[in-house]
Amino acid sequence: KAGVTQTPRYLIKTRGQQVTLSCSPISGHRSVSWYQQTPGQGLQFLFEYFSETQRNKGNFPGRFSGRQFSNSRSEMNVSTLELGDSALYLCASSLGDRGHEQYFGPGTRLTVT
Amino acid sequence: DAKTTQPTSMDCAEGRAANLPCNHSTISGNEYVYWYRQIHSQGPQYIIHGLKNNETNEMASLIITEDRKSSTLILPHATLRDTAVYYCIVRFPYNQGGKLIFGQGTELSVKP
Repeated sequence: KAGVTQTPRYLIKTRGQQVTLSCSPISGHRSVSWYQQTPGQGLQFLFEYFSETQRNKGNFPGRFSGRQFSNSRSEMNVSTLELGDSALYLCASSLGDRGHEQYFGPGTRLTVT
Repeated sequence: DAKTTQPTSMDCAEGRAANLPCNHSTISGNEYVYWYRQIHSQGPQYIIHGLKNNETNEMASLIITEDRKSSTLILPHATLRDTAVYYCIVRFPYNQGGKLIFGQGTELSVKP
C-alpha cells in the first residue's frame, strides 16, 4: 500500500506571496491532519479534515487554511507569507473514525525569503 | 489533553534495551498513551499505543504503571537506526479526532 505523499517536497517563496501544498493520504484513509514543524516551536497541529469537513483546528492565524476533496486528498494554503512561516509542513492520514494511528508523509520544506 | 514530561536526551548502547520514560500524572481515565518517533528530517512514525494494559508489537513494548501516571517505552535491542526523537503523547482517541499534541520529546542516541 502506498504511503502518504506530499508535493512539492521543497519550495522557496518570497514574503507576501501565497503557497499551496498538497497531500495524498493512504488509500482508504478519510482523515488528513496538517502540522507545522519549526526548530523553535517543534511540531504544532494546524488542522484536521475528515470527509471534506474541518474537524479540528489548531491555534494558527487565518492566513493558514485547508480543504479536503471527495477523494480525501487535501491541500493547505498559506497566504501573505511571512519569514516565520518557513518550516517543514507535515501531513498525516488515518482511518479517522478511531484515529489511533496516524501515518505521516515526508513533509514539504517551505523557505520564505 | 494531559501534559507529558520526558527527559530531553538519553544514550543507549547498540544491542541493549532502550527504556524511555514518560510522566503523565494528569491523565484521565479515557486517555490513551501513544508513542511516535521522528528520525531526522523525516515525518513522525507511529510506534505503539495503550490504555491500561502493557502492549507489545514488532517494534517495541509499552509498560503503563497501574495508576497510569507514567509509562515506559522499551526498544528491546536498540540499533543505530533507532536514533531518533521519541514523543510520548496522551489523548482521547475518539472525540479528539486527528489532533496530536507533540511535546519536545526525548532525543535517543544509540551508540556503537
